[in-house]
Formats: sequence, C-alpha cells, structure tokens
Amino acid sequence: AQSVSQHNHHVILSEAASLELGCNYSYGGTVNLFWYVQYPGQHLQLLLKYFSGDPLVKGIKGFEAEFIKSKFSFNLRKPSVQWSDTAEYFCAVNARNTDKLIFGTGTRLQVFP
Amino acid sequence: GAVVSQHPSRVICKSGTSVKIECRSLDFQATTMFWYRQFPKKSLMLMATSNEGSKATYEQGVEKDKFLINHASLTLSTLTVTSAHPEDSSFYICSASQQTESPLHFGNGTRLTVT
Repeated sequence: AQSVSQHNHHVILSEAASLELGCNYSYGGTVNLFWYVQYPGQHLQLLLKYFSGDPLVKGIKGFEAEFIKSKFSFNLRKPSVQWSDTAEYFCAVNARNTDKLIFGTGTRLQVFP
Repeated sequence: GAVVSQHPSRVICKSGTSVKIECRSLDFQATTMFWYRQFPKKSLMLMATSNEGSKATYEQGVEKDKFLINHASLTLSTLTVTSAHPEDSSFYICSASQQTESPLHFGNGTRLTVT
C-alpha cells in the first residue's frame, strides 16, 4: 500500500531563512507527487506537482521541489521564507492513472518576522 | 479556475442524529469525488471515493453504513454521517478533479461537532 512520510512535524523559522521540508513515499509503481498548502482558516491549495519530466519543479510563491526517484523523495524548498508562508504543508502521492491521493501527516510551518 | 463548494462549513448536531454534507463542483463535471477526514494535528485521511452513478469505494476501516455517500450527478456528492457520535466530530473535506491525473480541487471543509 502507498504511504507518505513527512518527518518534520513542526518547523519554526525566521523570515528570510531557507526552508526544506522532507517528504518520502512508499510505492512500487509510478507515481504523481504533490505539495499542498493550507493557510490558517483556508482550504487546501496546490503548491506544485510532479507528473513527469524535469524532476525539479517550480510552484507558486517561490516554492520548488525535487523528485529523487532513487530516494523516493520529493522535498519542498524555498530559499527565503516570508511571514505569509506560515501554514500547514502536505505532501501527497497518487499512483499513476488514478486520482486517489494519499497524504502525509503534514508539516506546520511558523515564520516569525 | 475550478471550484469545489462544500456546504455547510460548520454544523453542530446532537448525538444520534444524522448530518448531510454536500460537495459540488461548480464549473466542471466530476465523475469521481473524494471524501477526506482531517483529525486535529493529523493528516487528511481518505475515507472513500465517490463514483457518479455507482457505489462509493470505502477505505479500510471506514464504516460504509455510518458514512453514506451518494454521487447522484456529475456535480454533486453527499456524505451523510448517520447516528452521529461525539467521536465523529471532525473536519470533513471533499475534493474533485476535472480529469484523471489533474490536481485535485478541495472544498473548504465542514467542521462537524457532535454534542
């Protein structure tokens, strides 16, 4: 069965610090990978996705993620965070040709000015 | 862009009653919708896959007689929590995609509180 692990449960940073959130998945087949963000009081929004091609994908708001197939990882990065990036971040995976999305446990990011 | 609307956003009900939550795709047709449950400080747990015109597919451990799903049209799926108990109190979120392998669009969620 598929599973997704996010090892950082709570991250606290100052503005302008660099961010990297880990995501590892477990699945033997081909997958699509996603990062979603949930700002306080809002619904889930897509940050970025990887389906195929260049393993380094760029998303909205300066976020990027790199798919490393050999490590089953899809870590999220941002070189310089802002206070407005405070949110819950979820990594998610689905098997190719399905929409059944499996989420990681989420990482709560707090950015202090 | 595609929008998924969920209603109500918040509901309080008494133990033993049933509650219906609606999920609508506003500007696209969705043959498949998904229902998630989000526990405090935990991830979203997929409860079931709602298939238009057929029975929903439930994940292991989810009681299909308790969480009734109806996907009667291409734009509407409903989740009914039957005989609700306080432990059913949670945040329920639906999602849908315009086509297979397109990113999912999520509703705003429904906060259910059972007293």
